[in-house]
Amino acid sequence: GAGVSQSPSNKVTEKGKDVELRCDPISGHTALYWYRQSLGQGLEFLIYFQGNSAPDKSGLPSDRFSAERTGGSVSTLTIQRTQQEDSAVYLCASTSAPGTYEQYFGPGTRLTVT
Amino acid sequence: GEDVEQSLFLSVREGDSSVINCTYTDSSSTYLYWYKQEPGAGLQLLTYIFSNMDMKQDQRLTVLLNKKDKHLSLRIADTQTGDSAIYFCAEKKTGGFKTIFGAGTRLFVKA
Repeated sequence: GAGVSQSPSNKVTEKGKDVELRCDPISGHTALYWYRQSLGQGLEFLIYFQGNSAPDKSGLPSDRFSAERTGGSVSTLTIQRTQQEDSAVYLCASTSAPGTYEQYFGPGTRLTVT
Repeated sequence: GEDVEQSLFLSVREGDSSVINCTYTDSSSTYLYWYKQEPGAGLQLLTYIFSNMDMKQDQRLTVLLNKKDKHLSLRIADTQTGDSAIYFCAEKKTGGFKTIFGAGTRLFVKA
């Protein structure tokens, strides 16, 4: 079946503009995660959603970052007033539970803030 | 803290064994994982180990877990050029679904 998809694959934006990144998880997966991967930095946890529970937002770096998950499926990560340090690859993953909690990752959105 | 630490680079010759090491922080983590990321792609689960195990073998892959030292390693036997990638260690936190990833080890395989 279809894997996790993300759009756009690449986004170039000017500093100060808002951007929206989209994630379509695997159908039926209950948990959805957002991560940020910066050059040489590894994978930084941002936020995760699990079913109808309140999301764990503990990794969001500032209040310019927000995310929502509508209808328990598609998620949008919004970055307001983008800064150059926001440039990174944003990865989305989903998982079904219970089990091994294996995360299935999308290909990522490469965000470049000029 | 929540850091999962691993060395950033490893270079081996084709046919040799590769050993990638990781230390984690949560002694009560239930699952520990190794993910592989090839260029331009997302991460893909390579293997995992449950915390009540100390070793797991899967074809060319051997995972060793030392819970006392909170140390996890991944050994790749007969390393091939196709194994060149970034390898991420990760731990699933107890309770909930949060998983913390290390910075990734970039494996270079020389022909």
